[in-house]
Amino acid sequence: DAGVTQSPTHLIKTRGQHVTLRCSPISGHKSVSWYQQVLGQGPQFIFQYYEKEERGRGNFPDRFSARQFPNYSSELNVNALLLGDSALYLCASTLTGDRYEKLFFGSGTQLSVL
Amino acid sequence: AQSVTQLDSQVPVFEEAPVELRCNYSSSVSVYLFWYVQYPNQGLQLLLKYLSGSTLVKGINGFEAEFNKSQTSFHLRKPSVHISDTAEYFCAVSGNQAGTALIFGKGTTLSVSS
Repeated sequence: DAGVTQSPTHLIKTRGQHVTLRCSPISGHKSVSWYQQVLGQGPQFIFQYYEKEERGRGNFPDRFSARQFPNYSSELNVNALLLGDSALYLCASTLTGDRYEKLFFGSGTQLSVL
Repeated sequence: AQSVTQLDSQVPVFEEAPVELRCNYSSSVSVYLFWYVQYPNQGLQLLLKYLSGSTLVKGINGFEAEFNKSQTSFHLRKPSVHISDTAEYFCAVSGNQAGTALIFGKGTTLSVSS
């Protein structure tokens, strides 16, 4: 079975642009979470979705938004990019998103903002 | 709210030596605790987790961790490391409320040399 897949793997944008990152969860998983990992830091929680509903949101500005589709795939959108948005964006999936579940991570999308 | 402190940013060891990676957490509610490993250019992989019960938790690749509630610690140990254990290790905590995300520490770089 395929694991969590993310696209694209690498992306270069300039300040002020908009970006869309995509994630396909493991088959059968209904919850997707997004994390931002800045170089040298641990991942920071951005969003969690379960059954297309937002279940949790981290401390990120409104420039960050996400959605989950009927097939449980997800998109993370970031508007008005800043240099500080440069990071590895990780997607993780679980069956139900319960807090004790093991997260299955994708390999991430490396976003560079110039 | 929860927080995690990984006490060592870098831990260099020789092959076949024992290692301990230290993690302290802070929370006003019951927590679940996790250790994840990240190899270069990859997502995170779960090593082990503590949900309840026995305070000594055994994980994959010969790693184990001990939950100490009085000291609010969850240190990761391995009696004999291999070159292949070289990676970034993250301690994470989750609270007991629905929608609570994993809070990660800043990570510890384990470097194993021969």
